[in-house]
Amino acid sequence: GENVEQHPSTLSVQEGDSAVIKCTYSDSASNYFPWYKQELGKGPQLIIDIRSNVGEKKDQRIAVTLNKTAKHFSLHITETQPEDSAVYFCAARYSSASKIIFGSGTRLSIRP
Amino acid sequence: EPEVTQTPSHQVTQMGQEVILRCVPISNHLYFYWYRQILGQKVEFLVSFYNNEISEKSEIFDDQFSVERPDGSNFTLKIRSTKLEDSAMYFCASSAGSYGGDEQFFGPGTRLTVL
Repeated sequence: GENVEQHPSTLSVQEGDSAVIKCTYSDSASNYFPWYKQELGKGPQLIIDIRSNVGEKKDQRIAVTLNKTAKHFSLHITETQPEDSAVYFCAARYSSASKIIFGSGTRLSIRP
Repeated sequence: EPEVTQTPSHQVTQMGQEVILRCVPISNHLYFYWYRQILGQKVEFLVSFYNNEISEKSEIFDDQFSVERPDGSNFTLKIRSTKLEDSAMYFCASSAGSYGGDEQFFGPGTRLTVL
């Protein structure tokens, strides 16, 4: 069945440095790859997404890359700040309005 | 900014009891979802709902679960006879649909504790 693998499970970086989270997916029919940030006690919040017809997308300090051939995608956060500390989930979906398959999450900690 | 809301924020119940979790999706959205997250684990899909019927459900969503849109604004998840393993955060989500955008927006969740 569909599966999304995510690593690392925890990541600690110095404030100002970059953080990279990597995911792979199993269903080649997946065409939409959102990334969610979850803060303590809150629901997942969409921070950026990429569709299968695009290889890279950037929004200020956040960028995502997608390699369809290898079925992997990554989240890059540059110039990290304390407020970036949270759990980040990658996800995949194979058609509009269908279920989202989540990765296992990465707990990102930003060291001052 | 419109948002998905959920009530209650925390529900404590005894094993075997029925619970109803409530959600108010974003007002012009057409697709509704329930997900759950057991403490420390990934978010798992339960069910999607469109046009007053279930579109898709996971194997977790067995006969003990049901969903309903009782009026024009609420979307509910009912667990008929709760088990200890139903303890989790339950998230409601909604999306506008193919024409209005297919991003799923999540509510803050209901923490269900089954004793």
